[in-house]
Amino acid sequence: QQQVKQSPQSLIVQKGGIPIINCAYENTAFDYFPWYQQFPGKGPALLIAIRPDVSEKKEGRFTISFNKSAKQFSLHIMDSQPGDSATYFCAASPTGRRALTFGSGTRLQVQP
Amino acid sequence: GAVVSQHPSWVICKSGTSVKIECRSLDFQATTMFWYRQFPKQSLMLMATSNEGSKATYEQGVEKDKFLINHASLTLSTLTVTSAHPEDSSFYICSAPGQLFNEQFFGPGTRLTVL
Repeated sequence: QQQVKQSPQSLIVQKGGIPIINCAYENTAFDYFPWYQQFPGKGPALLIAIRPDVSEKKEGRFTISFNKSAKQFSLHIMDSQPGDSATYFCAASPTGRRALTFGSGTRLQVQP
Repeated sequence: GAVVSQHPSWVICKSGTSVKIECRSLDFQATTMFWYRQFPKQSLMLMATSNEGSKATYEQGVEKDKFLINHASLTLSTLTVTSAHPEDSSFYICSAPGQLFNEQFFGPGTRLTVL
């Protein structure tokens, strides 16, 4: 049973645009929500993460918005660049050093 | 940030042979490591949790006798794919928790191709 649903599956934006990727979770025990970026043939790299006690977090061009009541969170990429073209995964885990449950991934293409 | 390495980065083997993949935490200790598998254009799926000094915990549907995990030290976990078959061909990725809340660091992955 998929516990983290991610959309869209793919996304194409122009350079400078603001792609938005959405995730929804079911397990109320989740309290850590990271986003990972993955390039082909590479392992995922942590971009930004949030805990449910805040509604928004910004790090550089990346922003997470979090809606605890709706059990949804999203990633916004400001001023997107062709180098941002990659697959993005949302994930979630409960408290403690627990494994991550990943969303299905979003393939982002930023056109020059 | 913390660094996790994997070796080899890619391996090709014949059907029926065994392959060992190493996962190392380079600058921190990890009593727990996680092994994921990723098929082409799909997400990462947890296979097992590797625990230093004790048996690994496997996810439902993962054959523990086929995917042998040994967490020999605080910085090394190994995954051995025994009697590999073409359907085992995949991208295997390990991760280790860092010191901060829930953060996890991923290795670069190992591409396994079974002929």
